[in-house]
Amino acid sequence: QSALTQPPSASGSPGQSVTISCTGTSSDVGGNSYVSWYQQHPGRAPKLIIYEVTKRPSGVPDRFSGSRSGNTASLTVSGLQADDEADYYCSSYATSNILFGTGTKVTVL
Amino acid sequence: QVQLQESGPGLVRPSDTLSLTCAVSDYSITTGDWWGWIRQPPGEGLEWIGYIDYTATTHYSPSLKSRITMSVDTPKNQFSLRLTSVTAVDTAVYYCARKGPGLTYFDLWGRGTLVTVSS
Repeated sequence: QSALTQPPSASGSPGQSVTISCTGTSSDVGGNSYVSWYQQHPGRAPKLIIYEVTKRPSGVPDRFSGSRSGNTASLTVSGLQADDEADYYCSSYATSNILFGTGTKVTVL
Repeated sequence: QVQLQESGPGLVRPSDTLSLTCAVSDYSITTGDWWGWIRQPPGEGLEWIGYIDYTATTHYSPSLKSRITMSVDTPKNQFSLRLTSVTAVDTAVYYCARKGPGLTYFDLWGRGTLVTVSS
């Protein structure tokens, strides 16, 4: 199975919203409720920000939200802040496998 | 505060075996969680390698399973990765991470260690 498909880049001005898509198949993104999202700043380890499609770990601001429609999951970052500038990766469980997305670089203009 | 710390050689020769260890502090690896490895080639995306629990039950990536061995050392509270027959494409930052039992995401990550495969 290949990586999940994400747009290479997305951008928005401070205070605006940006939505990132993550497209898979019915065997992964569309086939279960195990989609997660990670934020990665340059030179740092990934940080979990969304799990099980819509849930946020403790400490993650509610500006981050997740959703899914069919085989495509989405991450929305509302009220963009300078610190939101980072790479974002989706991930999904597939039978006996964990897949990651190709990654999206979010730029705060 | 729970911490994971990777360690191992930063340079490995082609065709040799890459060996890394992840030490877990302030948290017992026998609690029932799974302990995993993920890698990231320079400038590229993340790739899941596999995970192991304290009973040494393992789950490996289908694309790497022929070259991977994971092990756990409960007295030392650490777990390890061996990747055989490495080539330049195995050059990456290797992260260790924690995954809860029955869960499909990694909620705690180490800082990562860069391993370069070169002669």
